[in-house]
Formats: sequence, C-alpha cells, structure tokens
Amino acid sequence: EVQILETGGGLVKPGGSLRLSCATSGFNFNDYFMNWVRQAPGKGLEWVAQIRNKNYNYATYYAESLEGRVTISRDDSKSSVYLQVSSLRAEDTAIYYCTRWARDWYFDFWGPGTMVTVSS
Amino acid sequence: DIVLTQSPALAVSLGQRATISCKTNQNVDYYGNSYMHWYQQKPGQQPKLLIYLASNLASGIPARFSGRGSGTDFTLTIDPVEADDTATYYCQQSRNLPNTFGAGTKLELK
Repeated sequence: EVQILETGGGLVKPGGSLRLSCATSGFNFNDYFMNWVRQAPGKGLEWVAQIRNKNYNYATYYAESLEGRVTISRDDSKSSVYLQVSSLRAEDTAIYYCTRWARDWYFDFWGPGTMVTVSS
Repeated sequence: DIVLTQSPALAVSLGQRATISCKTNQNVDYYGNSYMHWYQQKPGQQPKLLIYLASNLASGIPARFSGRGSGTDFTLTIDPVEADDTATYYCQQSRNLPNTFGAGTKLELK
C-alpha cells in the first residue's frame, strides 16, 4: 500500500524559513518523480515543485511564483522528499501536499498534507 | 501557462446526472493522449484522483464517474449522483509545466 506522510509544518514569522519532509513507503521510490502542491485556506490547488528521479538526473522544476525561494530535494535511500521554503510571506500560508507523479503524468497519490502558517 | 476554466458551483438532485466542465486556453493533447485529469476533494481531506488522461477511471473509483473530452474541452460526469459525492472537483493539465489546476467546481445537492 502506497503511503505518503508530510511533516515539518507549523507557525513561522514572515521572512523565516521552513523545511518540509515527506516520507513514503509501499512503492519503489527510485522509479518516481515527486511533487509538492499547496492549497491556501479556502482556495484552490497550486503546484509548487517537482523533482525527477535518478534516470532524469534529479532534475527540478518550480512554479514561477516561488522560484528562488524554494528548493526541492530527495533522498532515495530514505524514500523521502523535502521542500525548503525561505523568505516566507503571509501568502505562503497553506497546506502543503506531497504527491507522487504517475508515469502518465498525473498525481496519483497524495499525502494528508502539512499546514504552514506565516504570521507574526 | 495553460489556464483551466471551471464553473464555480453546481447543484444537482440525488440520483441525477452531474456534468462538470473544464476548458483550457491551449490544447493539452500530445501523441494521442489528452493530459487532463480530475480530482475530488472533500473538506478536510487531500485531493483524490478520479480520472486520468481524460477518460481513464482511477483504481477504486466507482463507475458512476466518467470523463471525456480532448483538445481544450473536457467534462467529468457523475451519474447517478450520491450524497457522498458532495465535494469540490478539480481538473488539472500536465501537457506543459507548470502543472496547472482549474479553480474547482463545488458540487452541492439540491
């Protein structure tokens, strides 16, 4: 059974940084691209970042609105993916979901999400 | 970026058909596949994949759900609607990065 679990959310002051973690199990992590998607309170879904697997040289891609402030990374030995977010702003307040990217290019499994609140 | 447009809300009676539309400003077809997908999100839960590549039912999803379309026009149909289907439905394209989502259609019961 595929399992995805995000951790690391919390209350952060504007300008601060946060590192979100996503632990996975139940599938061969090395084979898959992984993504982060976020959802501000009461709003829709926004793709944040993608990291490809070793076969694609761990290439990374970011939403333009966040580029320069986020870094996605992975540790295949731990079946985990991470999202470092810096210079946090109030508008970064959201649930951050870790998602698996299926071979036919869609998000087939989602974690329950971790809430990030940016407030002074 | 590819923009996806959905109607904000839809009210349907139990047992009737619900049709949710999603229109894109660019073609999302590529080598015979339409890179359009549908997700259901209930309050307090993560999104769940319903339909992938426009018309393929995801694992464990009831056959009451179906998708169709190509190019720039897509629909998600629920027939018949059950009480448990009240949720927000999102379309998403993966033809080009950045992946983009529609704003969501909230399905309510009359």
